[in-house]
Amino acid sequence: DAGVIQSPRHEVTEMGQEVTLRCKPISGHDYLFWYRQTMMRGLELLIYFNNNVPIDDSGMPEDRFSAKMPNASFSTLKIQPSEPRDSAVYFCASSFVGSSYNEQFFGPGTRLTVL
Amino acid sequence: KNQVEQSPQSLIILEGKNCTLQCNYTVSPFSNLRWYKQDTGRGPVSLTIMTFSENTKSNGRYTATLDADTKQSSLHITASQLSDSASYICVVPDASGGSYIPTFGRGTSLIVHP
Repeated sequence: DAGVIQSPRHEVTEMGQEVTLRCKPISGHDYLFWYRQTMMRGLELLIYFNNNVPIDDSGMPEDRFSAKMPNASFSTLKIQPSEPRDSAVYFCASSFVGSSYNEQFFGPGTRLTVL
Repeated sequence: KNQVEQSPQSLIILEGKNCTLQCNYTVSPFSNLRWYKQDTGRGPVSLTIMTFSENTKSNGRYTATLDADTKQSSLHITASQLSDSASYICVVPDASGGSYIPTFGRGTSLIVHP
């Protein structure tokens, strides 16, 4: 398996623009997580899905952030409109029930820069 | 609020030397504690997991310990190599309600110099 796939790897955009980050989880995994990582705050859980259904989105910072999982093999995280403080590395991770104590497998991340 | 605190924030050592990273947590109820290694520009990768009944576990040159009474864990790296340069993140899931939402430490940045 290729692991968790994220695209794009790097995104540079201007304030006010819409940004869409994409994730393909590992086949067979039924949990999908979106994280944001910054130097100041470390890794923060934004939202997670179970069987394509959003379970907890309490970490989503504002209404500007939205996430969808239309099927088991694809998820998006959208920021509209983007702001400079959204600049961070965004990670997608997946896991499955029965994995070693809910081990999460992370993608390579998308580095977002909002100018 | 559940917290995971790591120390030191950063560490620089010479190749071949040993080092120990610390993790203190307040997460309750406790299920397990996991150490991740994050290389620069990559996502975290699991190194080892400690459950309630385990005191020590080794994975090659990495040895993790857990003291569930004091809610402390350590990660000891023996005979460090340049490839050990990375961020090491301690993660403790919140087992209340069966959700197992992870609480992450902010990590220790380790630099190994030749």
